[in-house]
Amino acid sequence: KQEVTQIPAALSVPEGENLVLNCSFTDSAIYNLQWFRQDPGKGLTSLLLIQSSQREQTSGRLNASLDKSSGRSTLYIAASQPGDSATYLCAVVGSSNTGKLIFGQGTTLQVKP
Amino acid sequence: SAVISQKPSRDICQRGTSLTIQCQVDSQVTMMFWYRQQPGQSLTLIATANQGSEATYESGFVIDKFPISRPNLTFSTLTVSNMSPEDSSIYLCSVKTGYEQFFGPGTRLTVL
Repeated sequence: KQEVTQIPAALSVPEGENLVLNCSFTDSAIYNLQWFRQDPGKGLTSLLLIQSSQREQTSGRLNASLDKSSGRSTLYIAASQPGDSATYLCAVVGSSNTGKLIFGQGTTLQVKP
Repeated sequence: SAVISQKPSRDICQRGTSLTIQCQVDSQVTMMFWYRQQPGQSLTLIATANQGSEATYESGFVIDKFPISRPNLTFSTLTVSNMSPEDSSIYLCSVKTGYEQFFGPGTRLTVL
C-alpha cells in the first residue's frame, strides 16, 4: 500500500530565505508526482507535475525534483516571500495510472516579513 | 488546465439530512474525482466518476452513503446522505486533463 510522508509538518522562515520541502513515498512504482499549494479554507492549486521518467521540473521560483528509486521528491522555493505562506501537499499517482492521487499530510509554511 | 466551480461553497446541516454538492468544469473531461478532507487531515479519494459508467468507490466509502451522478462530461454531483457530525469535512472535486489534476475550491460542510 502506497504511503506518502512529508517532512517537516510545519516550517517558519524569514522572508528571502531559500527552503526545501521533503516528500517520500513507499512504493517507487509511480506514474507521476504532483505538488500542490493549499491556502486556508481554499481548494488546491497545482504547482508542478513530474512524470516518473523526469528528474525535475521548474516554474519560476519553484523547483521540484524526483528520485523515484529512493522514493523521494523535494520542492525547492527560492527567495521566499510572505505570499508563499500556505500548506504544500505532494501526491503520487500509482503506475496503473487510475488517476487516484495519494496525498501526504502536507507541510505548513509560514514566511515572516 | 481546467477551471472548476463547486456549489455550495459551504453549508451547515442537521444530523440525518442529505446534501448534494455540484461540480462544474469549463471543458469536457473524462475523469472526475471526489475527495474528502477531514479537519486537520490530508485528502482522501472517495470515488472516481467517469461519464457513462457507474462510479468506482474506494475502500471505506459506499454508494448508499455517497451517491454520485455524472450525467455529462462537464458536470457531476456528490450527495452526502444521512449525515452525522463525522461527515463534517471539505469535499473537493477534481479532474484529470492530460497528465495533471486540477481541483475545485471545495465545499465546506459542517454537520450539527
